[in-house]
Amino acid sequence: QQQVRQSPQSLTVWEGETAILNCSYEDSTFDYFPWYWQFPRESPALLIAIRPVSNKKEDGRFTIFFNKREKKLSLHITDSQPGDSATYFCAASASSGSWQLIFGSGTQLTVMP
Amino acid sequence: EAAVTQSPRSKVAVTGGKVTLSCHQTNNHDYMYWYRQDTGHGLRLIHYSYVADSTEKGDIPDGYKASRPSQENFSLILELASLSQTAVYFCASSDRGTNTEVFFGKGTRLTVV
Repeated sequence: QQQVRQSPQSLTVWEGETAILNCSYEDSTFDYFPWYWQFPRESPALLIAIRPVSNKKEDGRFTIFFNKREKKLSLHITDSQPGDSATYFCAASASSGSWQLIFGSGTQLTVMP
Repeated sequence: EAAVTQSPRSKVAVTGGKVTLSCHQTNNHDYMYWYRQDTGHGLRLIHYSYVADSTEKGDIPDGYKASRPSQENFSLILELASLSQTAVYFCASSDRGTNTEVFFGKGTRLTVV
């Protein structure tokens, strides 16, 4: 059973548009939600992360919106740039119990110039 | 800057052969991980370790062994490589086990023929 789900599997937007990547989770004990991005032939790297004490985390053009009641979160990329083209992974972990970082299957984002 | 170095970067192995993937980190991190990445899937945890001379099973440990002879080094061993183990393998490290950034190596592309 996949504990962290992402949609869509792939997404194409035009330069300047806002890309919205979705993520949902099963385990209500998850309390840390990082997003990693991975460029082709590169390793994943941390992009931005949120903890449930807040429902929004912003870093430049990247914003996480978090809905604890629905167990959903989304990553919004405003003014998308071709350099944002990458695979984005939503992940989750818990401070106790099953603490391992669980990754979703990723959303491949392509930003067309 | 955090550094996780994997070797080899790519390898072709024959079915039934033994494969050892090596990982070295200079982050002074206690936690080290081995992840597997397949096309269309996220990162799946194979083995991890939080102290030298001790390893733990992750989500998909079957067919793999791990060794942590020192804080800096963590190896993944495939005693009898199989076709299904063709994948990209990432080593990673983190300061603690949860709610913290995970730093990835550049990956090892393993092809079993």
